[in-house]
Amino acid sequence: ETGVTQTPRHLVMGMTNKKSLKCEQHLGHNAMYWYKQSAKKPLELMFVYSLEERVENNSVPSRFSPECPNSSHLFLHLHTLQPEDSALYLCASSQEGGRPSGRLYEQYFGPGTRLTVT
Amino acid sequence: KNQVEQSPQSLIILEGKNCTLQCNYTVSPFSNLRWYKQDTGRGPVSLTIMTFSENTKSNGRYTATLDADTKQSSLHITASQLSDSASYICVVSASGGADGLTFGKGTHLIIQP
Repeated sequence: ETGVTQTPRHLVMGMTNKKSLKCEQHLGHNAMYWYKQSAKKPLELMFVYSLEERVENNSVPSRFSPECPNSSHLFLHLHTLQPEDSALYLCASSQEGGRPSGRLYEQYFGPGTRLTVT
Repeated sequence: KNQVEQSPQSLIILEGKNCTLQCNYTVSPFSNLRWYKQDTGRGPVSLTIMTFSENTKSNGRYTATLDADTKQSSLHITASQLSDSASYICVVSASGGADGLTFGKGTHLIIQP
């Protein structure tokens, strides 16, 4: 098991519900990421937090709202989602975030939350 | 536009056999190339990371090659085991941060007994 945990592992929610995904990393990293993985599509980077500041927001709809209260925890708040938002949501962390030009940094992924929107 | 293309999309081989997965990329500038293994229901796990100057890198039965001139990489699996059944994702990093990562769709590998 990696040092990145995610809860819940599975979530089914209606389009009018509000829910939150949680990610916790125990690796002492200073950057955390949310990715969306849909069937037969590449991973899509959603948000990047470095030193608890959001440094990247890849044109994600406002129905997804991230929160990073400290360098070890990351949340993804969900509200009024659409069926096409059903996917595997992966959290990752690394020692460096933002723009470590040309340097190698290893990303460690959590197991993901399988989200189904009905 | 930066792109990473992987082939084949899926592959079925018998246990004990070898196989090679391909990755072609059009990412510029180039910083490094990574191969990840993703088991069903799990997050991706890094297998290798290679920079421009590295041609080959091994991790146990996994050997990755990189040809930066032709912008191609391969992942060779030797003496496959049932536990090798997974998706293998090629990721290319441009010079920069996490936003510089371009992911392939992955190759779904099934090892049959």
